[in-house]
This record gives sequence, structure tokens and C-alpha cells, in this order.
Amino acid sequence: SQQGEEDPQALSIQEGENATMNCSYKTSINNLQWYRQNSGRGLVHLILIRSNEREKHSGRLRVTLDTSKKSSSLLITASRAADTASYFCALNRDDKIIFGKGTRLHILP
Amino acid sequence: GAGVSQTPSNKVTEKGKYVELRCDPISGHTALYWYRQSLGQGPEFLIYFQGTGAADDSGLPNDRFFAVRPEGSVSTLKIQRTERGDSAVYLCASSSHDRGEQFFGPGTRLTVL
Repeated sequence: SQQGEEDPQALSIQEGENATMNCSYKTSINNLQWYRQNSGRGLVHLILIRSNEREKHSGRLRVTLDTSKKSSSLLITASRAADTASYFCALNRDDKIIFGKGTRLHILP
Repeated sequence: GAGVSQTPSNKVTEKGKYVELRCDPISGHTALYWYRQSLGQGPEFLIYFQGTGAADDSGLPNDRFFAVRPEGSVSTLKIQRTERGDSAVYLCASSSHDRGEQFFGPGTRLTVL
């Protein structure tokens, strides 16, 4: 399969805790991107990490990429209710961007 | 416009009918992508345009699906002889280059009865 596989499929945590989602893949990539999708809304780009990068930060988000293990992780620190959404990793290979099935994150009050 | 727009937002049609879904990308974005998303799944790649030409149409499920982008801006996804299995949200995204951040539209929810 060319798509990434997110793990876990679903995650529930208390507000204020950190959330970690993982993405594993099997093919070579140009870059890997993470997107968020709130219920009933379009996808929003969160962060892009290139194949020659190992870690990237954006606000409360931290993304790592290990090309030797073909895996990436997305860490959301100090979670908020508004972080409740589905999170997708998207693999960029050649001219295609292929999405995984996503992790559904639920932040409990 | 400020973002990617898609029309209509909802389309209900009967099995066997023909439908057209429109995407207006962000002005100046050369790359345009179509995806479809079923409930609980990630977006499924359909086709990618770079300018006016389809750079990769390997995701189109069969020959009932066709997409055009004649002037390198607006794109239309065309579905002939619709089937109930075509029901999904069809998403369009544009990008300023072919490997970067994509900006998504709100989608068109297609329901085939």
C-alpha cells in the first residue's frame, strides 16, 4: 500500500495532556504532511516535514520523521477541546499525495 | 477569492444520471487535486493537474470519471452514469507547487439515490 497507516485509530485524552499520533509507511517519500479535519469541515494543513529533516515544530505541534524506520509522529502538547478532530498523515511521493485513514482524537473536558 | 471554493456544496442525484462538480482554486496556484472521502476514511486521491494537463489520473476509479482544467484555473470533475457507490464527499485542493502544502475546499457532498 502506498498510504500511511496512522496509529492509534482513535485516542481520547484529558484536556491539558499531550497527544501523540504515529504514521508508518512503506515507500520512499519526498515529504510527509499532517492535516487536521474537524467534523463536517475541510482539511487544514498543519505541518510539512521534508525527507531530509528529522524534526519540526509549529506552536504546540512537534513532528518527527525517521526515514530509516519509515515512520513519523505528531505530538500535540497541552491539548485543548478545540484539538478534537481527525488527524491525517499524507505522503508526498512523485506527484501524488496519499492520505492515511487518520487518527480520531477526542479531548475530554 | 481567499480560499478554494467548490460548488455545489450538496448534490443529490439519481442512479444513472450525469453530474459535474466544480472547483475554483486559489488564484495563481498551478497544482490542483481532486479527492473523494467516504465516512470514516481518509481522502482518496483521484487526479492531479499541473496547469492545464492531468499529470496523474491514476486514482480515477473507472472511465465514468473524468476531469478537466481547460484554462489552468477552474476544474470540473464529471461523473457519468452515477452509481450509489459514488456517494461521498468530493474534495478539491490547490497548491502553489506540486509537492507543498495543499489548501482544501469545503467539498461537495454527492448523494446518489
